[in-house]
Amino acid sequence: EIVMTQSPATLSVSPGERATLSCRASQSVSRNVAWYQQKPDQAPRLLIFGASPRATGVPARFSGHGSGTEFTLTISSLQSEDFAIYYCQQYHFWPPTFGRGTKVEIK
Amino acid sequence: QLQLQESGPGLVKPSETLSLTCTVSGASFDKSDYFWGWIRQSPGKGLEWIVSLSYTGSTYNTPSLRSRVTISVDTVRNRFSLRLNSVTAADTAIYYCVRQSDDLLTHVDYWGQGTLVTVSS
Repeated sequence: EIVMTQSPATLSVSPGERATLSCRASQSVSRNVAWYQQKPDQAPRLLIFGASPRATGVPARFSGHGSGTEFTLTISSLQSEDFAIYYCQQYHFWPPTFGRGTKVEIK
Repeated sequence: QLQLQESGPGLVKPSETLSLTCTVSGASFDKSDYFWGWIRQSPGKGLEWIVSLSYTGSTYNTPSLRSRVTISVDTVRNRFSLRLNSVTAADTAIYYCVRQSDDLLTHVDYWGQGTLVTVSS
């Protein structure tokens, strides 16, 4: 099974600042990575698929990059509604696997 | 607008069988070129894939749970169900039914709201 390692576990950021979240795969997963946002008591919501395209309705301040084993999710200017937990997922190998998440909290 | 809704008991005794149903509205899941599945989330294991189901009825299990998982389909009521047998406390989790975008190995584009299942005597 592919292990997805996210860092940092917690990121403290002030509103308006930039946040960069990292995700590393235990072996190459090409560009088959998605990012999800989860708020308390809600299901995850798809943000990014294929490493970089944004899902429908996702603001342009969210951007994804990477390929192979290294991936990043950048939030260019944090809004109040962006404070949440973010998960990466690989779907290059079966079974699909998720990282343990990065919590983005208000500094 | 596609909606997924999980239903089932919130409490299951150890060694018994967990049964959940996902009712799909806004699309006929057996007539669309999508895959459907179950994912669970627990503090101990995080987000964990359980099983996927194709629109043709083929199923794809996560190896670690394969021996305990059964999935069934009710095309008349537009729903699919999960059965996980011989449960232990480690199976306590929020269970989500999901739709995958047009392939087995792809992202999840729709999630149900999730249902908490606790395994306890």
